Amino acid sequence: ELKVEQNPLFLSMQEGKNYTIYCNYSTTSDRLYWYRQDPGKSLESLFVLLSNGAVKQEGRLMASLDTKARLSTLHITAAVHDLSATYFCAVDPGGGADGLTFGKGTHLIIQP
Amino acid sequence: NAGVMQNPRHLVRRRGQEARLRCSPMKGHSHVYWYRQLPEEGLKFMVYLQKENIIDESGMPKERFSAEFPKEGPSILRIQQVVRGDSAAYFCASSRNVGTGVAYEQYFGPGTRLTVT
Repeated sequence: ELKVEQNPLFLSMQEGKNYTIYCNYSTTSDRLYWYRQDPGKSLESLFVLLSNGAVKQEGRLMASLDTKARLSTLHITAAVHDLSATYFCAVDPGGGADGLTFGKGTHLIIQP
Repeated sequence: NAGVMQNPRHLVRRRGQEARLRCSPMKGHSHVYWYRQLPEEGLKFMVYLQKENIIDESGMPKERFSAEFPKEGPSILRIQQVVRGDSAAYFCASSRNVGTGVAYEQYFGPGTRLTVT
């Protein structure tokens, strides 16, 4: 059974600081997704990582994937309050067109 | 270009009643997935469907839950004889037809928040 672990689960940080969220998974996969969820809302796709060494950046967020280490990171640079949300990583267990296995999410609060 | 649509957005049912949740995928998408999210938890996969076929229902509870995606109309997740533990947000996602080596992405609907009283 595929397990996906995120850490930390809760993170409070100040504006302007940098931080990294980690996502470890237990079986081989080369498809990993990062989503953002605001309270009471749906999931917004942030990044799709499809190969070892993939790195994608959008604004203050950068995601990377190391399939050999079974690790993805989401790095936040110079955080701003608008990035406060819950961030989920999700792994495709294999073959495409499968249900995703999600981590428990990282609840991020960025204080002015 | 409308996204994934779900209705109702909020649903209140008494214990023992039936709940029907509907999902219309994005235009051009033929794959539908249902997920459940309990408070303060991540999403749990329930079922994956294509038109008229259930492809993977490994995440569905064995009793009281069923899903369909008919040839015409939306996908429906049906919960019979609801209990308080069924209270959750239910999200539907859709994706394009998948080809060999082709990446796909699941797009999520706004969710249906079910409350069982």
